[in-house]
Amino acid sequence: QTVVTQEPSFSVSPGGTVTLTCGLSSGSVSTNYYPSWYQQTPGQAPRTLIYSTNTRSSGVPDRFSGSILGNKAALTITGAQADDEADYYCVLYMGSGISAFGGGTKLTVL
Amino acid sequence: EVQLVESGGDLVQPGGSLRLSCATSGFTFNYYAMTWVRQAPGKGLEWVSTISGSGTSTYYADSVKGRFTISRDISKNTLYLQMNSLRVEDTALYYCAKSSSCGGDCYRPDYWGQGTLVTVPS
Repeated sequence: QTVVTQEPSFSVSPGGTVTLTCGLSSGSVSTNYYPSWYQQTPGQAPRTLIYSTNTRSSGVPDRFSGSILGNKAALTITGAQADDEADYYCVLYMGSGISAFGGGTKLTVL
Repeated sequence: EVQLVESGGDLVQPGGSLRLSCATSGFTFNYYAMTWVRQAPGKGLEWVSTISGSGTSTYYADSVKGRFTISRDISKNTLYLQMNSLRVEDTALYYCAKSSSCGGDCYRPDYWGQGTLVTVPS
């Protein structure tokens, strides 16, 4: 069974740039997987950031961007702010109506 | 404004059953697929099930297939998740999410409720 992989944790300095990735235990992520990205802060429901690889959801600042980098989907935060500290999840479309989330990345801004 | 309000979570013994509900408003309910996603305490998100806007197509994670049933009542703008043969590992906060199509049978959660907690003690 193919697993969706994410870095367990990452840290970035305020104002810095960080790229989180979303891969597969077997194979490459392409736009055909329609990757989406979600941000979750403690005690809150997830919030949609990016869908279909690189489309920002309504109201999401343009410092968040999505792309395919090599064989993975990527979420880049440019000019990180303190309130970007959160858990970030990707989800991939695996075919036949099935989706799969990655394990999430805990981002620390310090 | 899209609103999703889950209810029905409870403490239930292993092997028991529970039905979760998700009352929706602020969008045309039968135009959109709906999804259940769960999150075990301190863990990540897990996709559970999706139902198409018409209700004619349903999809399940292997971990719940044969035990859970997703359904929707268009007259009540409400989504349901019938959970049978519950296991300890089903303990989680269950979110419902409005889901938009990304083409074919691909659906992406966009708006999320606040979740309802299901506890199956060991």
